[in-house]
Amino acid sequence: AQKVTQAQTEISVVEKEDVTLDCVYETRDTTYYLFWYKQPPSGELVFLIRRNSFDEQNEISGRYSWNFQKSTSSFNFTITASQVVDSAVYFCALSTFSGGYQKVTFGTGTKLQVIP
Amino acid sequence: GAVVSQHPSWVICKSGTSVKIECRSLDFQATTMFWYRQFPKQSLMLMATSNEGSKATYEQGVEKDKFLINHASLTLSTLTVTSAHPEDSSFYICSAGGLAEKYNEQFFGPGTRLTVL
Repeated sequence: AQKVTQAQTEISVVEKEDVTLDCVYETRDTTYYLFWYKQPPSGELVFLIRRNSFDEQNEISGRYSWNFQKSTSSFNFTITASQVVDSAVYFCALSTFSGGYQKVTFGTGTKLQVIP
Repeated sequence: GAVVSQHPSWVICKSGTSVKIECRSLDFQATTMFWYRQFPKQSLMLMATSNEGSKATYEQGVEKDKFLINHASLTLSTLTVTSAHPEDSSFYICSAGGLAEKYNEQFFGPGTRLTVL
């Protein structure tokens, strides 16, 4: 069984503050992919990043950065200098492919509110 | 590339009627399509996985006769909510996978908001 835990249900920060969204996953598969998605109020999922289990290199994309720690099964997401437009629900997801089937498990999401 | 569309974007229907939602992969062939359901302020819950030309695999607790899924081609999957009731009101999202160079990645449609009166 696989599981994704996003312990933070809601976070509020003041604009320009940095914020880290936590994600912890569980899987028995050695090959897997981790994702972060942003879901604004419109509902459409916006892909942010994909990371495979063999690539532990951290990544930075503009104000976004991701810290993949295989030893702790975590894939945390940091937004630097947050902006109001960052307000959304963020989902962490785990994807595996075994037995001929692809399976994606989503975390429960973290609602981020950036206050101007 | 890898664009997925859904139609309609939103639908309001009377209780007892059936509603069909279409999911299309516009620029790639999707060997597998997934249907998710999302209640307000909750996560996405996988309803079923469908491979082109074969029957859908439903997750535990999802009624097959209630939520009919057809994946007749590599670019189209449909979800039909039969005899809809107010408790079926939800946000339905499809995703498509199978792009060779994007192994293990799903591409999500924009979602369909269903309201059953």
